[in-house]
Amino acid sequence: NAGVTQTPKFQVLKTGQSMTLQCAQDMNHEYMSWYRQDPGMGLRLIHYSVGAGITDQGEVPNGYNVSRSTTEDFPLRLLSAAPSQTSVYFCASSFRTGRLNTEAFFGQGTRLTVV
Amino acid sequence: AQSVTQLGSHVSVSEGALVLLRCNYSSSVPPYLFWYVQYPNQGLQLLLKYTSAATLVKGINGFEAEFKKSETSFHLTKPSAHMSDAAEYFCAVTYSNNAGNMLTFGGGTRLMVKP
Repeated sequence: NAGVTQTPKFQVLKTGQSMTLQCAQDMNHEYMSWYRQDPGMGLRLIHYSVGAGITDQGEVPNGYNVSRSTTEDFPLRLLSAAPSQTSVYFCASSFRTGRLNTEAFFGQGTRLTVV
Repeated sequence: AQSVTQLGSHVSVSEGALVLLRCNYSSSVPPYLFWYVQYPNQGLQLLLKYTSAATLVKGINGFEAEFKKSETSFHLTKPSAHMSDAAEYFCAVTYSNNAGNMLTFGGGTRLMVKP
């Protein structure tokens, strides 16, 4: 069972570079989201998707873009990396049963350093 | 709007002692509450969840939590700490008809277990 798979696990970028963090899930979940984790701040929502073709902003969306062309994939793009984007990034997926949400399933994370 | 407060960013207990990690939430609608655990360099793993059924919830690895609406709390406990419990613990809140199932996290509590 692969679950939620994130690549790469580690990445170092120079300021101004762009890159895409990949996220794929094989559970046919309708919801996917991206969070960043910073010390003492827990996880904060960057962007989320309620289905293929539908995305929206979370709490800290600036500097990031997302798209969702398929149910399985939800890549996160950094347009022009800044040192403030140094963080650990987590992708998550979940689904609904009827009108009830279920728990989120998380990937292993991508540790990004911007120098 | 929702928020989660975890009192104590670091908690240290002796092996065999009671573990108590505190979580208070704020939500304008009936909440769904979760505790996740994160081991070093890993993703988040669900410990337990409250979704409006029984107020005392049992999870994995001997942990349990009690939902107290009057105190807006969802504290995590374990009767006897084990060295393998050393990790970071996150409390999170959402609600049943939250489109996208977006989670709001507390800042996390790092649990240290002394031999």
